[in-house]
Amino acid sequence: ETGVTQTPRHLVMGMTNKKSLKCEQHLGHNAMYWYKQSAKKPLELMFVYNFKEQTENNSVPSRFSPECPNSSHLFLHLHTLQPEDSALYLCASSQDGWTGGNTIYFGEGSWLTVV
Amino acid sequence: EDQVTQSPEALRLQEGESSSLNCSYTVSGLRGLFWYRQDPGKGPEFLFTLYSAGEEKEKERLKATLTKKEIFLHITAPKPEDSATYLCAVQGAQGGSEKLVFGKGTKLTVNP
Repeated sequence: ETGVTQTPRHLVMGMTNKKSLKCEQHLGHNAMYWYKQSAKKPLELMFVYNFKEQTENNSVPSRFSPECPNSSHLFLHLHTLQPEDSALYLCASSQDGWTGGNTIYFGEGSWLTVV
Repeated sequence: EDQVTQSPEALRLQEGESSSLNCSYTVSGLRGLFWYRQDPGKGPEFLFTLYSAGEEKEKERLKATLTKKEIFLHITAPKPEDSATYLCAVQGAQGGSEKLVFGKGTKLTVNP
């Protein structure tokens, strides 16, 4: 139990579907992140939220739409995805996103397969 | 641009055979170096944070050491349960936590 919970753990969706990934952290942190992990590639930062405000969008295609209603919850809305978007999507949190040297804690991830 | 290179890409050890994983980095002002362990199908699990050259930290059979250009993860007398992918990440002075740059990882297999 890492304190960061992601649902669903596995998701299969067609290219025309709309689905959402959900993340909840129980660590009292103020920054939350979405990362993408593909085979043979380093973790790629997608989005960062600090105190519910988006502070980083790492050139992510608009078919990925994040939402952060409060400091404990983070969503990633998915629509009209491509097969190459199939990957492990990791949610993470840290005390804040500015101080530097803060440890980032990850959830177990959501395995996404686009067919 | 901050960069991280991990070596080797994969490492096979016999149980009890000690070895080291390497992570070399270039960063504009080091704010922190992080080691994570990742089991198949799971998210990365935090192991260590190191902040300055000469610093060392230990946890069970793992010992992390930071120099000016590299960080090592030494595994003493490993067991099969130490098998996992070990990820190194660096944070430079240009930003906060969101500027972590990860390496591709070293996949460690410990055979009984």
